[in-house]
Amino acid sequence: ETGVTQTPRHLVMGMTNKKSLKCEQHLGHNAMYWYKQSAKKPLELMFVYSLEERVENNSVPSRFSPECPNSSHLFLHLHTLQPEDSALYLCASSQQQGVTEAFFGQGTRLTVV
Amino acid sequence: GESVGLHLPTLSVQEGDNSIINCAYSNSASDYFIWYKQESGKGPQFIIDIRSNMDKRQGQRVTVLLNKTVKHLSLQIAATQPGDSAVYFCAENLPRSGAGSYQLTFGKGTKLSVIP
Repeated sequence: ETGVTQTPRHLVMGMTNKKSLKCEQHLGHNAMYWYKQSAKKPLELMFVYSLEERVENNSVPSRFSPECPNSSHLFLHLHTLQPEDSALYLCASSQQQGVTEAFFGQGTRLTVV
Repeated sequence: GESVGLHLPTLSVQEGDNSIINCAYSNSASDYFIWYKQESGKGPQFIIDIRSNMDKRQGQRVTVLLNKTVKHLSLQIAATQPGDSAVYFCAENLPRSGAGSYQLTFGKGTKLSVIP
């Protein structure tokens, strides 16, 4: 266990659905991240939050909408996704953005049908 | 069309032998590097890190070597065990525009298979 918990572990959704992924850390970390890992590409950084402020958005389509209500929680809201969005979505946290190691959750395996 | 998976370099080693996994990083300004291990169905797990003011760091059964001249990083695993079978990623701390802004960027990964 890394101290970063993601729910759900698996999610199947239709292209017209709206769903949310949840991430929780109680490590006292100040930075949280969403990554996408697909079969076709290496681990891709999607969003970075530092001290609850979004500091990076790596050209992610607007159908992915992050939310960081406090330093322990991070959400990824999904709507009108495409089948090519099917992937493992990983949440991570670190004490400081980029300069300390990131701890990853187990991921949410998302399938868009 | 048919989707094609990412073809990872694969390293097969006999149980008990030493393993060496290599990684080339992209930016000479990167100053912090991490090795992660990812087992099937799990998230990446931190193994060891190294900062650019060092060229070697040792952990339990693992050693990371950093060669800044050729932008090369390696992970050595001593006495490889079946439980070491996984995909190994190197990550570099890439400076971004803006003071103090960094992004941890991952390589494609190497699949290590341990033969019992």
